[in-house]
Amino acid sequence: EPEVTQTPSHQVTQMGQEVILRCVPISNHLYFYWYRQILGQKVEFLVSFYNNEISEKSEIFDDQFSVERPDGSNFTLKIRSTKLEDSAMYFCASRSLADTQYFGPGTRLTVL
Amino acid sequence: DAKTTQPTSMDCAEGRAANLPCNHSTISGNEYVYWYRQIHSQGPQYIIHGLKNNETNEMASLIITEDRKSSTLILPHATLRDTAVYYCIVRVANFGNEKLTFGTGTRLTIIP
Repeated sequence: EPEVTQTPSHQVTQMGQEVILRCVPISNHLYFYWYRQILGQKVEFLVSFYNNEISEKSEIFDDQFSVERPDGSNFTLKIRSTKLEDSAMYFCASRSLADTQYFGPGTRLTVL
Repeated sequence: DAKTTQPTSMDCAEGRAANLPCNHSTISGNEYVYWYRQIHSQGPQYIIHGLKNNETNEMASLIITEDRKSSTLILPHATLRDTAVYYCIVRVANFGNEKLTFGTGTRLTIIP
């Protein structure tokens, strides 16, 4: 069964550093999403992406965040200058036109 | 999207049916009921969704009341691996790039 994959599983970085989280969505999917979950809190929507542009973004998704689909398979989330409060699990999700969202296993980001 | 209300936690004996309720009294006619679960900080896993008819798949059954103001997710023979947080989410039809809005869900514990 096709799956969304994410790398790395755990990323540790220093405050102020840039990080790139990578996702490989399911191959025939057209819509892509990033969510995050701070430890002990709800899963929160960050951004949705379709047809090579952002469809919707939340208040969390400020100028420090960007997304890109650099080729036909990867979907990335970049945080330009990480803060302590960016520490969280980051989940990628994808879906086809008439289907539900499928989530990847997540990347645990730890900002020191 | 309509708001949902779920119990904070529930226990169920292994091998028994787990019945997880969800209230969504403000649901609109074009909104579906979705269920996801999250096992110990893994990515949310899609379980089932429905509009007004009862639905069944290999994982669970979804019973939606006739007035659509509440629903019940049924795991027919719960196993220890079903211990997770279960989210009931109401959202518009599954087309386009609509985000999922997660609440706090129900923490289901399967007891041996």
